[in-house]
Amino acid sequence: KQEVTQIPAALSVPEGENLVLNCSFTDSAIYNLQWFRQDPGKGLTSLLLIQSSQREQTSGRLNASLDKSSGRSTLYIAASQPGDSATYLCAVHAGGTSYGKLTFGQGTILTVHP
Amino acid sequence: DTEVTQTPKHLVMGMTNKKSLKCEQHMGHRAMYWYKQKAKKPPELMFVYSYEKLSINESVPSRFSPECPNSSLLNLHLHALQPEDSALYLCASSQDWDRPTQYFGPGTRLTVL
Repeated sequence: KQEVTQIPAALSVPEGENLVLNCSFTDSAIYNLQWFRQDPGKGLTSLLLIQSSQREQTSGRLNASLDKSSGRSTLYIAASQPGDSATYLCAVHAGGTSYGKLTFGQGTILTVHP
Repeated sequence: DTEVTQTPKHLVMGMTNKKSLKCEQHMGHRAMYWYKQKAKKPPELMFVYSYEKLSINESVPSRFSPECPNSSLLNLHLHALQPEDSALYLCASSQDWDRPTQYFGPGTRLTVL
């Protein structure tokens, strides 16, 4: 059974810092990995999706990497801003007969203070 | 347009009530999903519809009954719920096998009294 772990559980940083969120998964037979952002009481916003054949994806100040063999992904946020404060969720997408199943980590609660 | 809409935004119901949650997307996506999210927990998959057919049911109690009347619409019918079913119910959709990025709606906050 796939298990996804995110470290740290919570992170508080001053504005302007570069930061790294970590995600690890136990079964490397994944189809892709997706990073989401969730604001309190709201739905999920997809940030980046990395296919299993890719090493990284970038969008603006966000960069996500994937090392499938070691079961790890990182989300790098450059020059953090208070508006980045949210919960960040990593989700692994199984393929084959488990198509459609996203296994989520517990999330990292990020607070960026001015 | 990458929007998934959900109605209602909030719902309060008694244990004997029957209610329905609605989800709609007009992106031409052929896969749609229901998730349940408890406070401070990640979403848990409930159901997956692919090409309007139920393809995954994660052993969800029968008091939750999904329905996919057409490719744009997904309903979740609720009956005889328990207080522990109170949660944020999220709907998502994705295009197809080659483009599996899931787009989520804002959710329906359900409270069962």
